[in-house]
Amino acid sequence: NAGVTQTPKFRILKIGQSMTLQCAQDMNHNYMYWYRQDPGMGLKLIYYSVGAGITDKGEVPNGYNVSRSTTEDFPLRLELAAPSQTSVYFCASSATGGRSPLHFGNGTRLTVT
Amino acid sequence: EDQVTQSPEALRLQEGESSSLNCSYTVSGLRGLFWYRQDPGKGPEFLFTLYSAGEEKEKERLKATLTKKESFLHITAPKPEDSATYLCAVLNNAGNMLTFGGGTRLMVKP
Repeated sequence: NAGVTQTPKFRILKIGQSMTLQCAQDMNHNYMYWYRQDPGMGLKLIYYSVGAGITDKGEVPNGYNVSRSTTEDFPLRLELAAPSQTSVYFCASSATGGRSPLHFGNGTRLTVT
Repeated sequence: EDQVTQSPEALRLQEGESSSLNCSYTVSGLRGLFWYRQDPGKGPEFLFTLYSAGEEKEKERLKATLTKKESFLHITAPKPEDSATYLCAVLNNAGNMLTFGGGTRLMVKP
């Protein structure tokens, strides 16, 4: 059982470039989330999805977009990358949302220069 | 706005030296308080959920407790393999979003 798989593990972007961070889960979870983690700042929610075709903004959505066409996949799109988007990005899933524990991937470390 | 503050930011212990990590929170109606463990280069891993004041949960050398204002993660006779960053998060009555604290980095020396 792979759980939550994120690709790539590392990426360096130039300012203004775009990219997609991939996330896939094989646990048939309805809820999926994207977080960013900056040193000492805690995890901040970017976007989340409660099922295929349904997405909603989290705490820090500006500069990002998501889609959820299948239960398994939840890609995060960065348009016009900025240095402020340098961070570690984590994808997570949960069975029922709310009190259900999150299962995290191992992250994508992104540097924008 | 929900807030979570963890202290200390970093804690160095000798193997076998018990201690506690603190998670102070303000939340508009607590639905749950969560503890996660994060190893370097990895995603957080779920440890416990606490739902109401007075509740306690245990797992090996770890015990989590909850009051109306804070939670403690007690570590008894820690081993080097307990070294990690421990994250606390709260869920309010309104929705599906967790609010995380900044974490406590625990280092246990042999």
